[in-house]
Amino acid sequence: GAGVSQTPSNKVTEKGKYVELRCDPISGHTALYWYRQSLGQGPEFLIYFQGTGAADDSGLPNDRFFAVRPEGSVSTLKIQRTERGDSAVYLCASSLKGGEGEAFFGQGTRLTVV
Amino acid sequence: GNSVTQMEGPVTLSEEAFLTINCTYTATGYPSLFWYVQYPGEGLQLLLKATKADDKGSNKGFEATYRKETTSFHLEKGSVQVSDSAVYFCALSNTGGFKTIFGAGTRLFVKA
Repeated sequence: GAGVSQTPSNKVTEKGKYVELRCDPISGHTALYWYRQSLGQGPEFLIYFQGTGAADDSGLPNDRFFAVRPEGSVSTLKIQRTERGDSAVYLCASSLKGGEGEAFFGQGTRLTVV
Repeated sequence: GNSVTQMEGPVTLSEEAFLTINCTYTATGYPSLFWYVQYPGEGLQLLLKATKADDKGSNKGFEATYRKETTSFHLEKGSVQVSDSAVYFCALSNTGGFKTIFGAGTRLFVKA
């Protein structure tokens, strides 16, 4: 596609449920990043993929959060046993190569845990 | 650790006014510095960047100079337009790095 696509755009879930957030990067981009943006804050790094592997997952807040990118393109961020504090906008970005060139961001998925 | 501090908003200006949004940073080494913009209903977009000291990034009439001595990267525009209304984020990334650290963002409103 023309840009980074994230689905769904909005997700409301009950506390304790499992959610999956999808990111479709720009075709040909090998680097993919997930960020989390809480209300009134800047994006906070979660994880970076170079190809299929997670090159840095140091930003994942705890073991309830997990992300995959099995074929080196689409990525899924998975959150188990959601908590109200997980409510935020989850942003995905991609770039041609990690650490180089501009990162292009999707419009994000707004997750609300009730 | 690395961090970015930018002026709190919102900033409200009349059209054609001069804009400054202050940004200072703390970092090890020699980071690259960025300004991102988020227009209403759109994703984050890179506005400009500078990769070494004394570099000036510029785009769409905005500019910012990488000042190592004051660890600053203030965003300026000589004459703002209503269409510049958005949230602006200052950010840094270590050389060759991929983990971008963002400031909290500054919302700009420009009145006609």
